[in-house]
Amino acid sequence: GAGVSQSPSNKVTEKGKDVELRCDPISGHTALYWYRQSLGQGLEFLIYFQGNSAPDKSGLPSDRFSAERTGGSVSTLTIQRTQQEDSAVYLCASSLDPGGADTQYFGPGTRLTVL
Amino acid sequence: AQTVTQSQPEMSVQEAETVTLSCTYDTSESDYYLFWYKQPPSRQMILVIRQEAYKQQNATENRFSVNFQKAAKSFSLKISDSQLGDAAMYFCAYRSGSQGGSEKLVFGKGTKLTVNP
Repeated sequence: GAGVSQSPSNKVTEKGKDVELRCDPISGHTALYWYRQSLGQGLEFLIYFQGNSAPDKSGLPSDRFSAERTGGSVSTLTIQRTQQEDSAVYLCASSLDPGGADTQYFGPGTRLTVL
Repeated sequence: AQTVTQSQPEMSVQEAETVTLSCTYDTSESDYYLFWYKQPPSRQMILVIRQEAYKQQNATENRFSVNFQKAAKSFSLKISDSQLGDAAMYFCAYRSGSQGGSEKLVFGKGTKLTVNP
C-alpha cells in the first residue's frame, strides 16, 4: 500500500513569509508525528497527534509553528514569519497504534530553505 | 530527559565485511523501546531493527543484529556481510514505554556509513 507522503518535496521561501507543509499518513494510522532534521540540531520532535486526543505540542520551537490534523488524517504544519534558522528537512511519520514497539513510518520529508 | 548518543559520526566498511555502530542512551525509565533507522540519500527513514527493553534476547533481522546491554545502556548495531546498499546514515532512537510517557522518538546525531567495494 501507499506509504506516508509529504508535499512539497522542496520549498524555497523568503524570510518573513508563511509556509505550509502537508503530510498524508498511511491510511488507517491513528498516530501522526512531525520531526525536524537540521544540520546543527539533528532530528527533533515537533508535535504528535493521536486520534481525537489533544496533540502533544511540547516540541514546537516557537509560537510561529503550528500544526493541525483534519479528520484524523491529513496534517498541515504551518510556519509563520519564517526565519533562516527554520531551514531544515521536515519529516512526517505515522503509526498504526502508538503503544508498544509500534513502528513509526516516515515520509520522504520536505526540505525548507529560507532565504 | 532521555538522551541518545552516537559517538561515531562516520564509519566505513569493506563490502562483505562486518561493521558495528555504537549507541548509548540515558534514561531513568525501566520500560522503553530502542530502534535503529537507516536514512539513505533519498531522505526516507527506514526502520532497520527494534528492541523492547524488557526482552533479554537481542533482536536480529537477517544481516542486522543488535547487542543490547541494558545495565550499560548500550545498543549497538552489527551489520554482517555489508552490501553497497547499506551505505546510509544510521540513527539510533529511543522511545518511552512508560504509562503516560511521550510517544516521540528521541534520536542520536547519526552515523554515516560508507561501504567500499
